Amino acid sequence: DIVLTQSPATLSLSPGERTTLSCRASQSVSSKLAWYQQKPGQAPRLLIYDASNRATGIPARFSGSGSGTDFTLTISSLEPEDFAIYFCQQSSNWPRYTFGQGTKVEIK
Amino acid sequence: DVHLLESGGDLVPPGGSLRLSCAASGFSLSTSAMNWVRQAPGKGLEWVSTSGSGGGYAYYADSVKGRFTISRDNSRDTLYLQMNSLRAEDTAVYYCAQDVIGYTFYWGQGTLVTVSS
Repeated sequence: DIVLTQSPATLSLSPGERTTLSCRASQSVSSKLAWYQQKPGQAPRLLIYDASNRATGIPARFSGSGSGTDFTLTISSLEPEDFAIYFCQQSSNWPRYTFGQGTKVEIK
Repeated sequence: DVHLLESGGDLVPPGGSLRLSCAASGFSLSTSAMNWVRQAPGKGLEWVSTSGSGGGYAYYADSVKGRFTISRDNSRDTLYLQMNSLRAEDTAVYYCAQDVIGYTFYWGQGTLVTVSS
């Protein structure tokens, strides 16, 4: 299985700050990588697919980049509603999806 | 709008069985591959199973192969997951998710399965 490693595990930030989350794959996944946001008690919500494409309705402050084994999710200016857990997912080995362990973005 | 509603989660003893359902609306189930993904309490996400749009093929994670069976009734726009020989480690919220261009685009709100005596 393709292993995804996210870093850091937790980020403590203030609203308005810019942040970058990392996801590294154990082998190349080309650009077949997605990012999800999950809030407590809710299902994950797709933010980014194919490494850099925003899903419908996702604000422009969210952006993704990378290819191969190294990917980043950037939030340009944190809004209060952005404090959540973020997961990456590879679909290179469809349908055997694997997910990263998550990065929690918490309020400082 | 796509809407997915899971049901069937319950408390079941180890070794027991349970069938989950996922009712789809806003699209025709027959046009989409569908997935089950689970999340143990306080943990990350784990892909469980995928059903092809026609139901002609199915894939399973090694952790559930031989115990879980995915199926669908396209005429009822409903996806199922039959879970047998349940173990404590199967305790999780189970989500169904619509597959679009190779990603789990749309998710239901999940149903909780607890395996405990």
